Amino acid sequence: AQTVTQSQPEMSVQEAETVTLSCTYDTSESDYYLFWYKQPPSRQMILVIRQEAYKQQNATENRFSVNFQKAAKSFSLKISDSQLGDAAMYFCAYRTLRGRDDKIIFGKGTRLHILP
Amino acid sequence: DAGVTQSPTHLIKTRGQQVTLRCSPKSGHDTVSWYQQALGQGPQFIFQYYEEEERQRGNFPDRFSGHQFPNYSSELNVNALLLGDSALYLCASSPTSGSIYEQYFGPGTRLTVT
Repeated sequence: AQTVTQSQPEMSVQEAETVTLSCTYDTSESDYYLFWYKQPPSRQMILVIRQEAYKQQNATENRFSVNFQKAAKSFSLKISDSQLGDAAMYFCAYRTLRGRDDKIIFGKGTRLHILP
Repeated sequence: DAGVTQSPTHLIKTRGQQVTLRCSPKSGHDTVSWYQQALGQGPQFIFQYYEEEERQRGNFPDRFSGHQFPNYSSELNVNALLLGDSALYLCASSPTSGSIYEQYFGPGTRLTVT
């Protein structure tokens, strides 16, 4: 079974600085998707960035980028120029590409605090 | 576009009671998934509905059941509530065509069992 591990329950970063959130996963599959979701206090889960495992190039979305190391099964999220609105729970997540298996497997999350 | 909507926002029930939570998917989406998020944890997949049938199920007991209606909206039913069922219940919708990784989440229903 696939698992997703986030080893940092909480992190803090100064506004305008850069922070990296860590994630490792375990799977025997070769094709899958990886995601980072943001869940602010309003509870709405928002997709931040996604990575297809077959793509070697790391995904980037504005201030958000990932470091995807397939062999190491590592998928970290880098947030540049941190803003107060980035404060939230961040979940690393996995989705198989196998058939119609559509479920997303989440890690336990990292709470990110932004210090003004 | 209203996005994914869920009702009610909050709910308090007593042990042993039954509860029904509701979800309306984003316009154009026909697949609905339900997740349970306990306090301080990541969401866990309960089940998914497509074409009014349960297509996939996670590791949850039969006390958890669901339904999907012809307009693609969905209900999650939990019978014989336990204290451990207290959680945020998230609904996510997705289309069967287009970006298959495109799951949109609703704001959730906070269920408290006393």
